[in-house]
Amino acid sequence: QVQLVESGGGVVQPGGSLRLSCVASGFIFSSYGLHWVRQAPGKGLEWVTFIRYDGGDTYYAASVKGRFTISRDDSKNTLYLQMNSLRPEDTAVYYCVRLQQPLLQDVPFDSWGQGALVTVSS
Amino acid sequence: ETVMTQSPVTLSVSPGESVTLSCRASQSVNNKLAWYQQKPGQAPRLLIYGASTRATGIPARFSGSGSVREFTLTISSLQSEDFAFYECQQYNQWPLTFGGGTKVE
Repeated sequence: QVQLVESGGGVVQPGGSLRLSCVASGFIFSSYGLHWVRQAPGKGLEWVTFIRYDGGDTYYAASVKGRFTISRDDSKNTLYLQMNSLRPEDTAVYYCVRLQQPLLQDVPFDSWGQGALVTVSS
Repeated sequence: ETVMTQSPVTLSVSPGESVTLSCRASQSVNNKLAWYQQKPGQAPRLLIYGASTRATGIPARFSGSGSVREFTLTISSLQSEDFAFYECQQYNQWPLTFGGGTKVE
């Protein structure tokens, strides 16, 4: 059974930093590309960033490029999102998401974590 | 960037009715179009991918259709558990983009 468990959310002041973690289980972690997707309160979904199964490629939304960094540690089955220079508009629930098929990129999102709430406020 | 537009924003219906949700892309997405269902306080769930293929475990009352830029999600004979928020997403081109969503109430 696929499980994705996010942690690391919380309240941070504008300009601050936070690192989210997502621990995965129930599948071969090193074979899957992974995304972070966020959802501001009362709003729709917004894709944030992607990392390829082998970590060899990453993509970012324009709104976070240069401030956020996605990474993975296959030895720990863990996905990370380092968030720097946080802004109030980054306030959202952040979901860790697995792709539907291994080794591919252009496939839909298959499994979601429960989400981690990040609040950026002074 | 491929802009996804969903309509209507809200759909008010009664159980047993059929509903059709629309999703339009600003350019072709090569049928790499998915629909997700989200209920309050829960993570989204994949319903449809490839524009028309139901994901594992999704009831047959959910169906997707369309191509190129115009897509629809139809829910026939709406059940109480189907009242939720629905979003379409294109996974054809970076950045991946979602529509604004339709609330079925």
